[in-house]
Amino acid sequence: DAGVTQSPTHLIKTRGQQVTLRCSPKSGHDTVSWYQQALGQGPQFIFQYYEEEERQRGNFPDRFSGHQFPNYSSELNVNALLLGDSALYLCASSILAGGTDTQYFGPGTRLTVL
Amino acid sequence: SQQGEEDPQALSIQEGENATMNCSYKTSINNLQWYRQNSGRGLVHLILIRSNEREKHSGRLRVTLDTSKKSSSLLITASRAADTASYFCATDAFGETSGSRLTFGEGTQLTVNP
Repeated sequence: DAGVTQSPTHLIKTRGQQVTLRCSPKSGHDTVSWYQQALGQGPQFIFQYYEEEERQRGNFPDRFSGHQFPNYSSELNVNALLLGDSALYLCASSILAGGTDTQYFGPGTRLTVL
Repeated sequence: SQQGEEDPQALSIQEGENATMNCSYKTSINNLQWYRQNSGRGLVHLILIRSNEREKHSGRLRVTLDTSKKSSSLLITASRAADTASYFCATDAFGETSGSRLTFGEGTQLTVNP
């Protein structure tokens, strides 16, 4: 059973560019959440997608947007990149409808903005 | 913003010793979860304890929860060098649908010396 997968593993961009990160949830999971983890800190919630809609959103600007596809996979888009967007981006999947509380995390995408 | 604080920020012990990490949080919760992270990689789910539970065990792990003090502790017994990692507590806030956003603490860096 494949766990949560994310691509790419690493990414280097320059300020002002746009980036798209991808996530495939664990088999049978219908909900995808995205988190940003700056170096030396705990992850911070960006948003959560369920049934192809943004269900909850954290304190992140509109430059951060996302999408969920019918197969439950998800994308995170960040526009007009800033140096401060450099971080590990983590995707987590879960089963909302089944009431499962545990979120399973992928290996993350390390984004460096120069 | 971070929900909770972990204590200590860093802990160094010898193999075979026990390691105790503490977590405090601010708001009422549905559950509290502990995760492990190795060298800036993905988060591995360790254990979940619900707000109506006081103690839970899983292998060498023991978690306690005191909702009156809004605090939890994670005990790792008979530690091994492979336990070296960062440990995070995360809360699922009461009042939101279970399985919603997780709010993480800053983490405890555990080093187990062989």
